[in-house]
Order: sequence, then C-alpha cells, then structure tokens
Amino acid sequence: GQNIDQPTEMTATEGAIVQINCTYQTSGFNGLFWYQQHAGEAPTFLSYNVLDGLEEKGRFSSFLSRSKGYSYLLLKELQMKDSASYLCAVRRFTGGGNKLTFGTGTQLKVEL
Amino acid sequence: ETGVTQTPRHLVMGMTNKKSLKCEQHLGHNAMYWYKQSAKKPLELMFVYSLEERVENNSVPSRFSPECPNSSHLFLHLHTLQPEDSALYLCASSQDWTGELFFGEGSRLTVL
Repeated sequence: GQNIDQPTEMTATEGAIVQINCTYQTSGFNGLFWYQQHAGEAPTFLSYNVLDGLEEKGRFSSFLSRSKGYSYLLLKELQMKDSASYLCAVRRFTGGGNKLTFGTGTQLKVEL
Repeated sequence: ETGVTQTPRHLVMGMTNKKSLKCEQHLGHNAMYWYKQSAKKPLELMFVYSLEERVENNSVPSRFSPECPNSSHLFLHLHTLQPEDSALYLCASSQDWTGELFFGEGSRLTVL
C-alpha cells in the first residue's frame, strides 16, 4: 500500500517564501507530482520529480529525496493568487502499469 | 475550447434518480480517468480507461457505471446513489495512462 503525508494547512505572508513538505511510503516508486488546485477549480500540474534533486520552474521549485521518501514544493515571492490547495501525488509501478495516488492536500493561505 | 470539459458542473439528485456525468477531452489523449474528491480526503481514483478499454477499477460500487465510447468521451452513469456519494467528481486525461494528468473543472454532485 501507500501512505502520503502533507500538512493540512499553512499560512504565509505575501512576498515571502514557503515550503510545503510531503513524505511518502511506497514500493515501486516511479515519480512524484505536485498539483495546484484553487477553490472550485480543476487541479493543474506544477511539477514532476523522478530523480533526486531540485527542479526549478520560475517561482516554484520541487525537491525529491527517494531514499528519505521526501519531497517539498518551494514557492518564492508569494502572491495572493498562490492561495490554493497543493496536492502531492506519488506514482508507483504495479504489475499492470503505473498508479498515481494523491495526498490530502495542503491548503495554503497567503496574507498581506 | 478548454482541454477537458465536464457537464453538468452542478447536479442535485435523489437517491432513486438516474443521471449521467459527461466528460470530453480535446487534447488528443488516449487515457481518461474518473476521480472522486470529498472534503478532507485525498483524490480517489475510480476508473481508468486507456484506448477505450477499462484498465483500472478501484473497487467502486456498482451504482457508479463508467462508459468510454471513444478516446475523447467518458461518462459516469449514476443510479440509486447514497448521500455519502455527494462529492466533486473530476475527469482527467493523459497522453498515456502513466503521464501527467489534465483535469476538468469537476461536477459537484449532491445526493439528497
């Protein structure tokens, strides 16, 4: 089975940096995704890591350590529009193919 | 046109009703998914279709019946639902059933 943990809620200040952590336990690990979901909207893809290290994409970066079962999403220069739920999802290889499992999401609130 | 469109966006039904949710993707993808999103719970995978063939069925009750007539369309037929089935139902597509997911806006279902 799988276990994915991420904080339920976080609050940060506009212009600051925030790090959202995700820990997981799985067999057959085959990649980790981060999605952003604004209230009432569809989740949208942010980043993908399959090898250890940091992937940077503008204000957003994602880090993966496979040996520790750990990832984080780093958001810099926070803006009010970054208030959303951030979903960590782990893909694992099963006998029949790949399967993607989501965490419960971290609700980020950006304040002035 | 947006990539993945779902109709209706909101649906209220009684426990004895029969209704259907529709999803259409305009991205040329060959895999489509139904996910259920309930408050405080992770996204739950319900069904996966790859090349119009069902490849995953996550122990979903038979009152939910999927249909994939072609690679662009996916339906979820609903019959004699329970109040606990009230949730946001998200459709997604991907290039193959291992790739990045593109989500629709969701259909908010309320069962009375």
